[in-house]
Amino acid sequence: QVQLVQSGAEVEKPGASVKISCKASGYAFTNYLIHWVRQAPGQGLEWMGVINPNNGDTDNAQKFRGRVTLTRDTSTTTVYMELSSLTFEDTAIYYCARERGGNWWFDPWGQGTLVTVSS
Amino acid sequence: DIVLTQSPGTLSLSPGEGATLSCRTSQSVSSSSLSWYQQKPGQAPRLLMYAASSRATGIPARFSGSGSGTDFTLTISGLEPEDFAVYYCKQYGASTGYTFGQGTKLEIK
Repeated sequence: QVQLVQSGAEVEKPGASVKISCKASGYAFTNYLIHWVRQAPGQGLEWMGVINPNNGDTDNAQKFRGRVTLTRDTSTTTVYMELSSLTFEDTAIYYCARERGGNWWFDPWGQGTLVTVSS
Repeated sequence: DIVLTQSPGTLSLSPGEGATLSCRTSQSVSSSSLSWYQQKPGQAPRLLMYAASSRATGIPARFSGSGSGTDFTLTISGLEPEDFAVYYCKQYGASTGYTFGQGTKLEIK
């Protein structure tokens, strides 16, 4: 079955970077876009960016440009999201989610990765 | 930027009742880009509806979506205990990317 499995929880200090993985299985990896969405504690959902695993093209939300780097490894069908210059406000659950290009809906989602920024 | 406003913020209903959730956009959007998600505590969001009115795979028929332009609605007829959750609408805009509404919490009365 189609699955997105994310890496485990991370604790980082302010100013550091964090890199989260999202391993895809059960479908043709290069045929679907992978998005990243985050959710701060008790808050709503916020779109961060998207990568096309076929060619590596990315697009990030204006808020995250310069701080988010999306990459992919086609040999392991894994997408990575690196967030730099962490602040306390980056404490959140980070989700990856799949989209068939041009469909505009996300299905399925990964289980989420909690990133805690703490000094 | 397009803003999505969901109402009400919290909806208190009993099992068996019907629920109507609203999602209004600050400017007209394509129905094709409007989707709804359900999120239960401690879980990832799950796709409910896409293209405003199409049910995702495995979603019960008691869920339906409608709307166009700036007004969209998610309707749940005959609430089941497992339907109590937070619901988000989302839209895509070519210049702004993806935007979520702030969510409607559906709670048991």
